[in-house]
Amino acid sequence: DPKIIQKPKYLVAVTGSEKILICEQYLGHNAMYWYRQSAKKPLEFMFSYSYQKLMDNQTASSRFQPQSSKKNHLDLQITALKPDDSATYFCASSQDRHSQAPLFGEGTRLSVL
Amino acid sequence: GDSVTQTEGLVTLTKGLPVMLNCTYQTTYSPFLFWYVQHLNEAPKLLLKSSTDNKRTEHQGFYATLHKSSSSFHLQKSSVQLSDSALYFCALRGTGNTGKLIFGLGTTLQVQP
Repeated sequence: DPKIIQKPKYLVAVTGSEKILICEQYLGHNAMYWYRQSAKKPLEFMFSYSYQKLMDNQTASSRFQPQSSKKNHLDLQITALKPDDSATYFCASSQDRHSQAPLFGEGTRLSVL
Repeated sequence: GDSVTQTEGLVTLTKGLPVMLNCTYQTTYSPFLFWYVQHLNEAPKLLLKSSTDNKRTEHQGFYATLHKSSSSFHLQKSSVQLSDSALYFCALRGTGNTGKLIFGLGTTLQVQP
């Protein structure tokens, strides 16, 4: 059974719309992350959270907003979608942010038309 | 800033031959390096990790040694199998203790019969 659940697996959106990507982990981890993978930039760090606090944000655009309603949740809201946002978005988690290697979820593949 | 370089985009080999995938890095922090493997349409999975200088680490027939003197963490295997065909990423834990990983561009390994 997958321990990091990402929903939906596939998502098609219209330019200008807004979507929320869901991520839940059942590993008891305290750190969670978002990464993006596209043809242009294979695996690009976006955000890290530790104990539900934002630790790092490498996303230039405010259109990307992480949301942590519970310790084991880290959703990603994307507004004003553009075709360039088309990518696979991976959620990941680790026990802590110090030395553990992140475990990745299966990803949400987003296509913006 | 921190960076990871993987020089080969594509490596094609015949089954049974040895392979070495190159990885060099730049950081001002104490280096912690990782190798992840990603099969088609799957999540990246941890293969190896190390922060210890000159100590070989092994997993599933793959091995790597962190050499701080040359800022390298090359991935090797003595005899590749068809199932090793995948995308391999080298990653560096970023400065700042936020849990961020900085990934190289990746090397696709194609193993032929």
